[in-house]
Amino acid sequence: EPEVTQTPSHQVTQMGQEVILRCVPISNHLYFYWYRQILGQKVEFLVSFYNNEISEKSEIFDDQFSVERPDGSNFTLKIRSTKLEDSAMYFCASSRQLGTYTEAFFGQGTRLTVV
Amino acid sequence: QQQVKQSPQSLIVQKGGISIINCAYENTAFDYFPWYQQFPGKGPALLIAIRPDVSEKKEGRFTISFNKSAKQFSLHIMDSQPGDSATYFCAASEGGGSEKLVFGKGTKLTVNP
Repeated sequence: EPEVTQTPSHQVTQMGQEVILRCVPISNHLYFYWYRQILGQKVEFLVSFYNNEISEKSEIFDDQFSVERPDGSNFTLKIRSTKLEDSAMYFCASSRQLGTYTEAFFGQGTRLTVV
Repeated sequence: QQQVKQSPQSLIVQKGGISIINCAYENTAFDYFPWYQQFPGKGPALLIAIRPDVSEKKEGRFTISFNKSAKQFSLHIMDSQPGDSATYFCAASEGGGSEKLVFGKGTKLTVNP
């Protein structure tokens, strides 16, 4: 069964450092997302991406964040200068089409720890 | 207005019992209501979803009940099994070009053998 793959599974970084979280969406999917989940809290939307551009972003997704699809398979989330409060589980998701009733498939997540 | 309120925060049920998790929303533009199941160390996985034009949807032991006028929806797990022990999230989205899912805070379900 096709799945969304995320690497690394756990990333520890020092405050102020840049991190890149990587995702390989399901191959025939066209819409890509990043969500995050701070420990013990709800899953929060960060950004959606389609046709090589951001289609929607939340207020969390400030100038420190960027996304990129550098080739035909990878989808990355970059945090330019990490803060302690960026520590969370980051989930990548993809879906085949945009619109109501379309299932978004989630990866297993990357746990980011900022120290 | 973008919030989805979920209760209870945790739930303990005996094997064979019925698990009920409730969610409420304010945004009347929401028109897609999925439930996600998450096991420790895994990402959320879609369990079942409903549109507001139906009041109930059943898939196996899982049923969503939807009350549009009350802006509430709930997940019922019949004949709960220990393997159902997981965290359950309700969510909602506006559709119509927005795929952003707004999640509830989650319910940790424990089914005792």
